[in-house]
Amino acid sequence: GENVEQHPSTLSVQEGDSAVIKCTYSDSASNYFPWYKQELGKGPQLIIDIRSNVGEKKDQRIAVTLNKTAKHFSLHITETQPEDSAVYFCAASDQAGTALIFGKGTTLSVSS
Amino acid sequence: GAVVSQHPSWVICKSGTSVKIECRSLDFQATTMFWYRQFPKQSLMLMATSNEGSKATYEQGVEKDKFLINHASLTLSTLTVTSAHPEDSSFYICSARDHTGKSLHFGNGTRLTVT
Repeated sequence: GENVEQHPSTLSVQEGDSAVIKCTYSDSASNYFPWYKQELGKGPQLIIDIRSNVGEKKDQRIAVTLNKTAKHFSLHITETQPEDSAVYFCAASDQAGTALIFGKGTTLSVSS
Repeated sequence: GAVVSQHPSWVICKSGTSVKIECRSLDFQATTMFWYRQFPKQSLMLMATSNEGSKATYEQGVEKDKFLINHASLTLSTLTVTSAHPEDSSFYICSARDHTGKSLHFGNGTRLTVT
């Protein structure tokens, strides 16, 4: 089955800097890669996703890149703000209605 | 759109009792919902896939007789933790695909504490 590895486990940046979180996956059949932000005591919130027919997607300060050959995808947050501090999870699945398999999460801390 | 509501948000129960958690898709129909479990500072682990009108599919290692799942309608799935024990204390989160079938949205989770 699918296995998703996520790095780093913790990331501390200064406000205004960029943050990059990387994930790799094992199942070449996976073609849907979402990123979730989870704040303490809450469920994960979808922030951006990418499908295998696209190499990059951007939404304001957030971007995701996908390299299907290397089986890795990354989350890029530019101009970070303290409210970006949270745990970020990457995930992967195929589009056949199967569940998402999650990475172990990255705790992002943005200091002002 | 694509709101998933989970209830209750937290519950405390005594060992040996059962607890039911509800997951509703508020503005869309969900033929499939997923139940996850999350321990503190850990990732989300898939417990089971809930299919409307049929039996749930459980992941390896998840006891189907302990974690009863019912998906009786297109907008409601329930997870019942039977004969709860302290080791069942965890954060339980449900999710459902939206009407496009592409994106997965999560409820806000239920914090279960078994004393």
